[in-house]
This record gives sequence, C-alpha cells and structure tokens, in this order.
Amino acid sequence: GAVVSQHPSRVICKSGTSVKIECRSLDFQATTMFWYRQFPKKSLMLMATSNEGSKATYEQGVEKDKFLINHASLTLSTLTVTSAHPEDSSFYICSARDRRGPAGELFFGEGSRLTVL
Amino acid sequence: RKEVEQDPGPFNVPEGATVAFNCTYSNSASQSFFWYRQDCRKEPKLLMSVYSSGNEDGRFTAQLNRASQYISLLIRDSKLSDSATYLCVVIRYGQNFVFGPGTRLSVLP
Repeated sequence: GAVVSQHPSRVICKSGTSVKIECRSLDFQATTMFWYRQFPKKSLMLMATSNEGSKATYEQGVEKDKFLINHASLTLSTLTVTSAHPEDSSFYICSARDRRGPAGELFFGEGSRLTVL
Repeated sequence: RKEVEQDPGPFNVPEGATVAFNCTYSNSASQSFFWYRQDCRKEPKLLMSVYSSGNEDGRFTAQLNRASQYISLLIRDSKLSDSATYLCVVIRYGQNFVFGPGTRLSVLP
C-alpha cells in the first residue's frame, strides 16, 4: 500500500532555533498533503493543507509565518517551525491521500515529536 | 459546538466483551465517514469506511444515521490488541477531513 515517510521522528532543539520536518510520499504522487499537530491525549488538529506548486492553506489560528510550509515537488512537503518556543513542543504528523485508493484513505507519516527546550 | 464529537472515554472492557462507540457530526453537508485507529504515539490508520447501508468487517461493524447525524462503531469479541484510540473522521464539502477527538478503548485481560 501507499507509504508516507516523515523525518525526523524525534527532534530536540533550543528555544529560538528553527526545525524542518519532511514528509515524503514514497510510491505515489501527492498534489496535496496535510499537516497536523497533536497534543497528548488530544485529537489531530489540522494546521494547514500543503499544495504542490502553490501556497499552503492555513487553518484559522495557525500562524503562517511561524509554520512555513513548502511543497516543492509531488512527493515532498516540508514544515519548518521557525523560532521555536517550548509551547511549540508537540507531535506533528503529515498525511497524504493516494488518489488511486479508496476516496477516504489518508496515509500518515510516522509523526515527528518536537521538544523545544 | 464542535463539528465532530466523540465520548473520549476511556472505555475499559474485559476481553471478549462487545463495545460500541458513537460519533456525532454537526454539518449536515458531510459526505463521507470513516473510522481510524490510532495506537499510542503512532500515526492514525484507516480502520474502515462507513456506508449508509452499514458495513461489517470481521468483528467490526460500522453504521451511519444521517437523520440523526451520527455514526457508530461496534466491536465484538474484544481482543487485547483492540486497545487504541478510535477516531471518527468526516469529510465535508470541499474534501476537508475533520477528525473527532477520539475515543480511548482499553481491553483488559
């Protein structure tokens, strides 16, 4: 089946630094990818929709200058957390839909756990 | 009111029990419905789609009630490996996926 790979799986950084997370669709092309944030014991919160070749669409309340999204190719989207602060510590997950499969199946990356010290 | 709501649980049930979860949605224009399963610290994975006529996959049965705007998931003969968080997912017009907060299930030996 379709596979989405996310890297890194864990990252610890100092406050004020920027962190880049990559999301790759390994065996299919994804014109659209989704970025989520998840707090412990909470559900996924959609942050933004990443569109290949165009600007990302951000959900209300998500700072686009804080969370930079680049979807440079049909298989790669990146999320950069700029000037990270401890409150940005969270589990970030990307997903993509393989249009060859069932209409509702989203394939998720393994997630990236960010800890900002 | 949140667009998709679920009882967060936890539901603690013994092995072999039957357990049911409900999920309500507020947007009547919602088109498609799914149940995803998420294990602790892992990514969500599709469990099953929910069809208007109801559908079954082994021990799992999903049903949709459009009039009352809810979907349900029934798990029969619970296994320890069923312990997870079950996420209700609704696709609304424009193909945005909306996730419910999830229901935690613990199957106890």
